[in-house]
Amino acid sequence: RKEVEQDPGPFNVPEGATVAFNCTYSNSASQSFFWYRQDCRKEPKLLMSVYSSGNEDGRFTAQLNRASQYISLLIRDSKLSDSATYLCVVHNQAGTALIFGKGTTLSVSS
Amino acid sequence: ETGVTQTPRHLVMGMTNKKSLKCEQHLGHNAMYWYKQSAKKPLELMFVYSLEERVENNSVPSRFSPECPNSSHLFLHLHTLQPEDSALYLCASSQDSGSSNTGELFFGEGSRLTVL
Repeated sequence: RKEVEQDPGPFNVPEGATVAFNCTYSNSASQSFFWYRQDCRKEPKLLMSVYSSGNEDGRFTAQLNRASQYISLLIRDSKLSDSATYLCVVHNQAGTALIFGKGTTLSVSS
Repeated sequence: ETGVTQTPRHLVMGMTNKKSLKCEQHLGHNAMYWYKQSAKKPLELMFVYSLEERVENNSVPSRFSPECPNSSHLFLHLHTLQPEDSALYLCASSQDSGSSNTGELFFGEGSRLTVL
């Protein structure tokens, strides 16, 4: 099983749509989870952390299911500016660095 | 100005060349990282330095040689590379390697390497 697995997409949605991305991870001992965003030909940037209780930041909601080793990101009311690749990120076995998924590409159109 | 600066932004080299990638962070962080990003593959962790000591070496071929002379600078020395080493090499920093727990990795814009 890959350390971090995501559906690569692409997800093509109209403005205003709700879209959800899923991610599974293999390290059951991992304690920290994140979503990063990477725009085309740019560096990745932290979007939000993922907490056990679930957390929301504006139009973005992240959920964690430890039993299933599953993380999700929900984007409501999609904007054109949300078009990017979303990277699921978890800690490595040693807890010293972050392991990235391949990313899920989102394209929002008008 | 970005907090993490990488040079050069683009590099083309032959398989017999020796070159170096440079990374400098202006954020006062203690941990620095090299990641490799190839097309259609996830970011691959290469090296982690914490307080100038290497704490992670992710089975990277010896043709890649990192150097961390101080907490603000990180180098990746390249020699006898292969065409499959062509990729975007991203440097990142964090407050310390333990605080990658917070997910606060700050990336540079990357050095795009092409090996002919």
